Amino acid sequence: QIQLQQSGPGLVKPSQTLSLTCAISGDSVSSNTAAWNWIRQSPSRGLEWLGRTYYRSKWFYDYAVSLRGRITVNADTSKNQFSLQLNSVTPEDTAVYYCARGGVSFDLWGRGTLVTVSS
Amino acid sequence: EVVLTQSPGTLSLSPGERATLSCRASQSVSSSHLAWYQQKPGQAPRLLIYAASSRAAGITDRFSGSGSETDFTLTISRLEPEDFAVYYCQQYGSSLWTFGQGTRVEIK
Repeated sequence: QIQLQQSGPGLVKPSQTLSLTCAISGDSVSSNTAAWNWIRQSPSRGLEWLGRTYYRSKWFYDYAVSLRGRITVNADTSKNQFSLQLNSVTPEDTAVYYCARGGVSFDLWGRGTLVTVSS
Repeated sequence: EVVLTQSPGTLSLSPGERATLSCRASQSVSSSHLAWYQQKPGQAPRLLIYAASSRAAGITDRFSGSGSETDFTLTISRLEPEDFAVYYCQQYGSSLWTFGQGTRVEIK
């Protein structure tokens, strides 16, 4: 059964870095057909796609324009997982963060991690 | 950026009734790039429909999608108790993914 298992802290202080990891079972982060995404959801912003990575003979990365400069998505092939780093967070980054598989649409999701940005 | 507007915001229906949910795009969307999701409280969204009208794996045929260009529809033919949830449309274009604000289907 294909699963995405998320991990990471639920509380981050303002101006610090939010870091989350998504471990993949039943598929490969290096798959030539899959893409690995981060999406967040908050009452004020709704569902918001953040960024993705995928492998097609080399690694590619796409990021939401609004977050460029603050966001990094990386893949770790040795652990079959991918990660999200969001720098210089503010309370507006408080949300449930999901990892998800998909290119055009998202057919597999992690269970979500509530991340609160607060001192 | 393509803005997706869903209507109505809330749909109050009884089990067994038909639900019709609308998703309108601010500019034309490729039909192959329009999807629908169901989300229940405390859960991640679940893919129902992709490419506007194709059901995802394991999705009952009570769910159907249709539409093109700027107007898309999700229909639930006969509401079952487990169908009461929030539904989102989503589009992809030019390395941008956007979601609608959601339609809540509640028990009348």
